[in-house]
Amino acid sequence: QKEVEQDPGPLSVPEGAIVSLNCTYSNSAFQYFMWYRQYSRKGPELLMYTYSSGNKEDGRFTAQVDKSSKYISLFIRDSQPSDSATYLCAMSGDRGSTLGRLYFGRGTQLTVWP
Amino acid sequence: NAGVTQTPKFQVLKTGQSMTLQCAQDMNHNSMYWYRQDPGMGLRLIYYSASEGTTDKGEVPNGYNVSRLNKREFSLRLESAAPSQTSVYFCASSEESGWTYEQYFGPGTRLTVT
Repeated sequence: QKEVEQDPGPLSVPEGAIVSLNCTYSNSAFQYFMWYRQYSRKGPELLMYTYSSGNKEDGRFTAQVDKSSKYISLFIRDSQPSDSATYLCAMSGDRGSTLGRLYFGRGTQLTVWP
Repeated sequence: NAGVTQTPKFQVLKTGQSMTLQCAQDMNHNSMYWYRQDPGMGLRLIYYSASEGTTDKGEVPNGYNVSRLNKREFSLRLESAAPSQTSVYFCASSEESGWTYEQYFGPGTRLTVT
């Protein structure tokens, strides 16, 4: 079993839709939860990160972490064609832990059509 | 700042040939990483260097070697390329030594082995 599981999609939605992207994980030692966005033929870039459980909002994007269920989500409100990309979840342990590097999900390919 | 740069951008090799992928960062980061990205597999860590002078194996190190030449540069070598090494290779860096929640990625090298 991989440390981090993510449905690869693809996911196709109309402009303006609310998008929900999810990952599950198996190691309870993960403390930092990230979402990276990767445009076609580019390197990934950090979109949002959350420490431990809870919600974090940044504009149209909301990240949620439920550590009790080992489940994280990214919501995109009022989705735009420019949001079309692959979204990768990633996780890391605390400083000094053996999980100090990033563990990535497979990525979900999202297309928002006008 | 150029961030993370990788050369070459594209490469075609014949089975058994060797090559070195170059990576450099100008952000004074301590840690550097090499990933490969294959369809449906997500990002898989090949090798990483938590600080200058150290390297460690990641998830898929077989068939690869690395050199942390100095703080800025981290190269990946394929000694005898195989078709299974056809992939997109990303180099990344992060600020702290041996721990990260944010990595900065280069644009990638698209490698085809025939």
